Amino acid sequence: EDQVTQSPEALRLQEGESSSLNCSYTVSGLRGLFWYRQDPGKGPEFLFTLYSAGEEKEKERLKATLTKKESFLHITAPKPEDSATYLCAVENAGTYKYIFGTGTRLKVLA
Amino acid sequence: AAGVIQSPRHLIKEKRETATLKCYPIPRHDTVYWYQQGPGQDPQFLISFYEKMQSDKGSIPDRFSAQQFSDYHSELNMSSLELGDSALYFCASSSAGGRDNEKLFFGSGTQLSVL
Repeated sequence: EDQVTQSPEALRLQEGESSSLNCSYTVSGLRGLFWYRQDPGKGPEFLFTLYSAGEEKEKERLKATLTKKESFLHITAPKPEDSATYLCAVENAGTYKYIFGTGTRLKVLA
Repeated sequence: AAGVIQSPRHLIKEKRETATLKCYPIPRHDTVYWYQQGPGQDPQFLISFYEKMQSDKGSIPDRFSAQQFSDYHSELNMSSLELGDSALYFCASSSAGGRDNEKLFFGSGTQLSVL
């Protein structure tokens, strides 16, 4: 069964304190792995798509990496405005179904 | 750039009432997805449509139905509402034939509260 597990569930960082969020996945065939940012009461906002192991993508203070079993979202020198829930999702290449993880709630303190 | 538009933004209903949620996808997007998200939970897939035909079905209760119209907008109809239906309902759209076509674009959601 396809599954996505994110850790930690919640993370508190001081401003400037770099860290990583983990997304472990099991899928019969990976079409893509997606990272989204979700602010309270709002829809998920697309950040990255990763397609194959070894791929990396960067956007401002965020960098996403992918292996055959997991993805990391690295946050370098975070700022309070980076506080949000970060969702990871995979798309099954055979069924085209998306499976979401439960997210990591990130709080960056000034 | 135009985004996915959902209405209403907030909806308050009584138990056993009905509700209709609307979704207007990004222009030229042909696929619409409906998700339900409870507090602190990941989005749960309900149903999707491609070119106005149901393409996939998830954990959508029999009390709910949905359709996609000729202009590609979609409506989620919810009947005999229960307290447990209180959640944030998201619509997302994508383009099967476009660049980065796997990517979902989400609306801001409809917050449904059943009292």
